[in-house]
Amino acid sequence: DAGVTQSPTHLIKTRGQQVTLRCSPISGHKSVSWYQQVLGQGPQFIFQYYEKEERGRGNFPDRFSARQFPNYSSELNVNALLLGDSALYLCASSLGGENQPQHFGDGTRLSIL
Amino acid sequence: QKEVEQNSGPLSVPEGAIASLNCTYSDRGSQSFFWYRQYSGKSPELIMSIYSNGDKEDGRFTAQLNKASQYVSLLIRDSQPSDSATYLCAVRNNDMRFGAGTRLTVKP
Repeated sequence: DAGVTQSPTHLIKTRGQQVTLRCSPISGHKSVSWYQQVLGQGPQFIFQYYEKEERGRGNFPDRFSARQFPNYSSELNVNALLLGDSALYLCASSLGGENQPQHFGDGTRLSIL
Repeated sequence: QKEVEQNSGPLSVPEGAIASLNCTYSDRGSQSFFWYRQYSGKSPELIMSIYSNGDKEDGRFTAQLNKASQYVSLLIRDSQPSDSATYLCAVRNNDMRFGAGTRLTVKP
């Protein structure tokens, strides 16, 4: 079975631009979470979606938004990009229960110039 | 105080030794605890999950949980050079929170 797939793998943007990152969960998984990971740090929680509803939001500005589609895939949008948004963006999927482990995709490496 | 704390390392052990990785967390309501391994330039890979106090063994890995002390640990027996990676502790109470990771180096 396919794992979590993310696209694109790499992206270069300039300050002020907008970006959309995409994620397809493991088949049968209904929950998708997004994380930002900068070098030397652990992943920082951005959003969690379950059955198309937002279930959690981390401490990120309103420039970050996300949504989940009926097929459980998800998009993360970031507006007005800043240099500090340069990071690895990780998507993780799970079955959705509180104790269910999350499985990560390979991530999207976003560089802001 | 950080929500999830780990020693950043690097932790260096010889091949065949036991590597001991530790993690403390601040949210007493946390219900689920996970260890992930992350190789350089790669995404985190789930190693172990643990939900109740005590030990849980899976092959060369043993996770230990003490909710009263708000402490989680991971033991890696018979460490191999291929175990060299950053190990992330993750704690969940609604949201998943990660530590910064401990970098482990296993020397041949």
